[in-house]
Amino acid sequence: SQTIHQWPATLVQPVGSPLSLECTVEGTSNPNLYWYRQAAGRGLQLLFYSVGIGQISSEVPQNLSASRPQDRQFILSSKKLLLSDSGFYLCAWSVPGGIGEKLFFGSGTQLSVL
Amino acid sequence: DAKTTQPNSMESNEEEPVHLPCNHSTISGTDYIHWYRQLPSQGPEYVIHGLTSNVNNRMASLAIAEDRKSSTLILHRATLRDAAVYYCILRDPGSARQLTFGSGTQLTVLP
Repeated sequence: SQTIHQWPATLVQPVGSPLSLECTVEGTSNPNLYWYRQAAGRGLQLLFYSVGIGQISSEVPQNLSASRPQDRQFILSSKKLLLSDSGFYLCAWSVPGGIGEKLFFGSGTQLSVL
Repeated sequence: DAKTTQPNSMESNEEEPVHLPCNHSTISGTDYIHWYRQLPSQGPEYVIHGLTSNVNNRMASLAIAEDRKSSTLILHRATLRDAAVYYCILRDPGSARQLTFGSGTQLTVLP
């Protein structure tokens, strides 16, 4: 069966520090991968998505970047965090091409930038 | 992007049916209607999806209006574990790009 791992679960970082969040998927090949952010009490905003290794599409100009160095690995990074980067970060995957292409989410990382 | 509109919050009594509405007046002919729900401090989980016909699964039913401009998620017997934020989103299967989730409907289930 397929599983998605996302870590860490919580993270407290000072303003100006770097960030690296990692997400890996097991049990499937060539998944579409996604990073979402959720501000407190708000909906989910799509940040990046990827249809293959090295292929990243950005939805919102921001202080963050994403990379996909391996088929089932998706990394969210920042060189210098801002206060506004605080939020709940969720990684998700889907099987490409399916009519009912469902999203499967990780358990999320709660990031607090102080 | 075709947008969806949902009420901010709804309440239901335990063991009673719940009808969660969603308006999507700008839906295109190829968009599927998906519903997800999110429990506190967790990632969303898939509930159900449909295109034109009403759909049923073990979690819920999805009723889609004939003109497809609105849909309703039906929980037949609400339990306390159904308390969550419910999101209605539109999904174009021809695109890898997933849409942003709106604010959803916060469902409160009263014992």
